[in-house]
Formats: sequence, structure tokens, C-alpha cells
Amino acid sequence: RKEVEQDPGPFNVPEGATVAFNCTYSNSASQSFFWYRQDCRKEPKLLMSVYSSGNEDGRFTAQLNRASQYISLLIRDSKLSDSATYLCVVTLLNSGGGADGLTFGKGTHLIIQP
Amino acid sequence: DVKVTQSSRYLVKRTGEKVFLECVQDMDHENMFWYRQDPGLGLRLIYFSYDVKMKEKGDIPEGYSVSREKKERFSLILESASTNQTSMYLCASTDRWAGDEQYFGPGTRLTVT
Repeated sequence: RKEVEQDPGPFNVPEGATVAFNCTYSNSASQSFFWYRQDCRKEPKLLMSVYSSGNEDGRFTAQLNRASQYISLLIRDSKLSDSATYLCVVTLLNSGGGADGLTFGKGTHLIIQP
Repeated sequence: DVKVTQSSRYLVKRTGEKVFLECVQDMDHENMFWYRQDPGLGLRLIYFSYDVKMKEKGDIPEGYSVSREKKERFSLILESASTNQTSMYLCASTDRWAGDEQYFGPGTRLTVT
């Protein structure tokens, strides 16, 4: 069974701090990795893809550790507006090149406090 | 900008009613998905479709069916609604392949009484 695990939190973090959380996945054949952000009572939206070499977008850094089967998200200089639930997503490719399973983690709830 | 719309934001139905949830995307995406989201359970895939008239079961298809007669439209059907189907239903679409970025609709909060 494909599984994606996240610490549900909540993570209560003071504004300006750096916060990081991980997402572990059980299937070593997982191919693609993403972080989505979901605000309260809103739909999820893509935050960033996670590449093997790691990637950075402003204050956000995502990394992949295939050996230990986890992805991470680091937020620097956190803002009040970063308060949200962060979902990790893991996909597998089937023999036809299509996604054979797109699994969402249950999300990590982040609260940035003034 | 990709737009995914869902027919209703809030819906209240009675047990045993047939329920239709409609989803439309305007970007000519190949793949469309229906999820439900519940507290503590996260997003769970009900069905997805990678082409017109094609459908694949997701993780929790029981009690649901789908229809994709046109590329832009993907419908979720609850043949006989039950109280355990009270949930937030989210539709999503992707371009090219099903592992690409998912664009979500605003969701339909369905309450079955």
C-alpha cells in the first residue's frame, strides 16, 4: 500500500522564525514529489515541485532524500500569511508512463504567531 | 489561468437521494479527478479519468460512479446518498499526464441528512 506520512502538527512558530517539516513515503519507486498549500476552507494549490537536486523559491526550499525516502520543506523568515496546511504529494509512474497513483499526505498544519 | 469550477459550493441532500456533482475545466486538460477530504483522513481519490469516456477507480470508489462524456466535464454521482458521504468533494485536473500539477476546483461541501 502506497503511503505518505506527515506530522499533522500544529506547528506553532513565531513570525520570522525558520520552520521545517518532512514527509516520508513508503514506496521506493515513487517518481514525482510536490508540496501543496491549502488555506482554511480553500482548495489545495501547488506550492512547489521537489526535484532530486533540491529547489528553492524565495523563502521556501524543498529537498528530496531518496535514500531515506522523505521530502522536506523549509520556510525561512516565516510570515503570518504562511499559516496554512502543507500537503505533500507523491506519484508513481506506470509502465505506460502515466501516473499510477498520486497520493496526498494528510497535511501539516502550520500556524505563524505574531 | 486554469479554471476548474464546481457546480455548487454547498449542498444538502437527504439519505437515499441521487446526487450529481459537476466539474468543468477550461484548459483542455486530459486528466480529471474526484477526491473527498475529511478531517484526519486527508484527501482520498475516488475516481479519475484520463480521457473522454474513460474512468479508473481510485482508493475509495464504493458508493460512487462517474461520467465523462466531454473532455471538459467530469461528473461524480452518488447513486443513493448516505450520511457517511457527508464530506468536502474536490475536483482537479492536470495536463499531459496524471502526475503533473493538479489544479483544484473550490470544492463542494456536501451534507447528507
